[in-house]
Amino acid sequence: EVQLLQSGGGFIQPGGSLRLSCVASGFTFSTYAMTWVRQAPGKGLEWVSDISASSSNSDYADSVVGRFTVSRDNSKSTLYLQMNSLRVEDTAIYYCAKGWRDYPLEYWGQGTLVTVSS
Amino acid sequence: QSVLTQSPSMSAAPGQKVTISCSGSSSNIGKNYVSWYQQLPGAAPKLLIYENNKRPSGIPDRFSGSWSGTSATLGITGLQTGDEADYYCGTWDSRLRTVLFGGGTKLTVL
Repeated sequence: EVQLLQSGGGFIQPGGSLRLSCVASGFTFSTYAMTWVRQAPGKGLEWVSDISASSSNSDYADSVVGRFTVSRDNSKSTLYLQMNSLRVEDTAIYYCAKGWRDYPLEYWGQGTLVTVSS
Repeated sequence: QSVLTQSPSMSAAPGQKVTISCSGSSSNIGKNYVSWYQQLPGAAPKLLIYENNKRPSGIPDRFSGSWSGTSATLGITGLQTGDEADYYCGTWDSRLRTVLFGGGTKLTVL
């Protein structure tokens, strides 16, 4: 059974940093690209970032470029999202998902809430 | 405002059929496969349809997808109260080089 278990969310002041984690199981993590998607309170889905299986290729939404960094540790089957210089508008539930780009997002993590507020 | 356009809400009675549309352009739906995601209240999104009309294992055949030109449609037959959810279309945009989601359609079964 595929599982994506997320952690690392929380309450942070504007300008602060957080690192989200997503531990994968039930599939060969090292052979699949992964994606981060977020959902602001009461709003729709927004693509944030993605990373290829080997970490050779990654991309970011314009709203987070230069502030967020996606990475992965295939030896630990773990995906990360380092979020720096957080803004109030980054407040959202963040989901990791298996898949990317022109492939479907097959499985999703349970989501982790990030609240940025003073 | 989303690049992919969905009706914000729909409602129908149990047992009825609904179709949810997703309108895009030549650089996204017109060129790339569409997926549909179901988000039940308080839950993470779940893949419902991929490659325009294929169902992942475990998704009942009450759910179907179709595509024509720059639009895609999700169909749900035999509506159940458990189908009350937000439904999102998603695809890759070859020009913007980004994953796009529609704004979501809130389905009420009453």
